[in-house]
Amino acid sequence: EVQLVQSGAEVKKPGESLKISCKGSGYKFSSYWIAWVRQMPGKGLEWMGIIYPGDSDSRYSPSFQGQVTISADKSTNTAYLQWSSLKASDTGLYYCARRTDTLFSYMDVWGKGTTVTVSS
Amino acid sequence: EIVLTQSPGTLSLSPGERATLSCRASQSVSSSYLAWYQQKPGQAPRLLIYGASSRATGIPDRFSGSGSGTDFTLTISRLEPEDFAVYYCQHYGSSLYTFGQGTKLEIK
Repeated sequence: EVQLVQSGAEVKKPGESLKISCKGSGYKFSSYWIAWVRQMPGKGLEWMGIIYPGDSDSRYSPSFQGQVTISADKSTNTAYLQWSSLKASDTGLYYCARRTDTLFSYMDVWGKGTTVTVSS
Repeated sequence: EIVLTQSPGTLSLSPGERATLSCRASQSVSSSYLAWYQQKPGQAPRLLIYGASSRATGIPDRFSGSGSGTDFTLTISRLEPEDFAVYYCQHYGSSLYTFGQGTKLEIK
């Protein structure tokens, strides 16, 4: 079974750093792009960026460029999303999703999400 | 950057009725890169439609997608109780993805 398993919920203080993870299984992890999507409380979906674990090529939404870092380790089939200095506005639910390898480029497999709470 | 605008924001219908959800792009886009997702409370999004009109695996045929250029539509022919959820359109282009703001389909 193809699946993405995300790390558990986090509670952090403003200014702290954080790295959350997304581990793929059931497929060749290095051959599929992995995207990160934010959902703030009660709001819609926002695409943050995407990475190709095979060579760590990455793209960022202009809204998130410089605010987060996306990385991947193909040896452990894991993608990461990290912050160097969290803000209260980073509170939200973060999904990773696999991009299909077809022309259509949709997200075909989603993790269950990691809740990040940033509060003093 | 392409902006996707979904309408209406909220749609109130009864089971058995037909639902028509709209997604309008700020400029013409390729239909190949237009997808629709369904999200229920407490769940991750689920792919419904890709390439503007192709149903994903396991999606009932009461769901259909259509459109081209700047105007796309998701239609649910006869609403079932499990269809009440939030629906998002998504576009991919120039290495970037964009989501619409979502349409909430609620029980009337």
